[in-house]
Amino acid sequence: EAQVTQNPRYLITVTGKKLTVTCSQNMNHEYMSWYRQDPGLGLRQIYYSMNVEVTDKGDVPEGYKVSRKEKRNFPLILESPSPNQTSLYFCASSAQGVAKNIQYFGAGTRLSVL
Amino acid sequence: EDQVTQSPEALRLQEGESSSLNCSYTVSGLRGLFWYRQDPGKGPEFLFTLYSAGEEKEKERLKATLTKKESFLHITAPKPEDSATYLCAVRGYGQNFVFGPGTRLSVLP
Repeated sequence: EAQVTQNPRYLITVTGKKLTVTCSQNMNHEYMSWYRQDPGLGLRQIYYSMNVEVTDKGDVPEGYKVSRKEKRNFPLILESPSPNQTSLYFCASSAQGVAKNIQYFGAGTRLSVL
Repeated sequence: EDQVTQSPEALRLQEGESSSLNCSYTVSGLRGLFWYRQDPGKGPEFLFTLYSAGEEKEKERLKATLTKKESFLHITAPKPEDSATYLCAVRGYGQNFVFGPGTRLSVLP
């Protein structure tokens, strides 16, 4: 089954404790992206990657890091989480070419930073 | 800067009562306008892509249309299972996507 898998689904942590949210897709997609979703603000893009070793900032990259060492994986790293990073996070992937604009989303990771 | 706004913020309809959702956008060189559906506790699910003014796409009770400044998602004779949040997004010359805040639709039986 074609899917985007995020882990963990729920995470509670404390300020300053480094964490990683994993994202993996099994569709051989080149494009991968991370979003955060906050009430009233919608989905905001954090980082995206056009392919392996190619990443770029979205609209809200501050406080986040990403890496794309393999095509299927795109982890989101919070080096020193703060309470304002409490949010619902989604990973997405899409193919290049004609179908490149159709993004497939994971089920989401709900993060609380205390 | 690319921007997307959506209205109304929330909409309650009776089953069978048709209506439209609005998505207004500003973008430098539209490379696509997208509609997604999001159910509570789930990730967004792709519905439509529109590329140029005048284009229309249909799927079951949903029809999306596009002008140079707006897109509409028309819902004909909705059913309770159409209840969800509907998201609009655009992609301009950059490789990033910009989403609107969404419209939360409730269809009452």
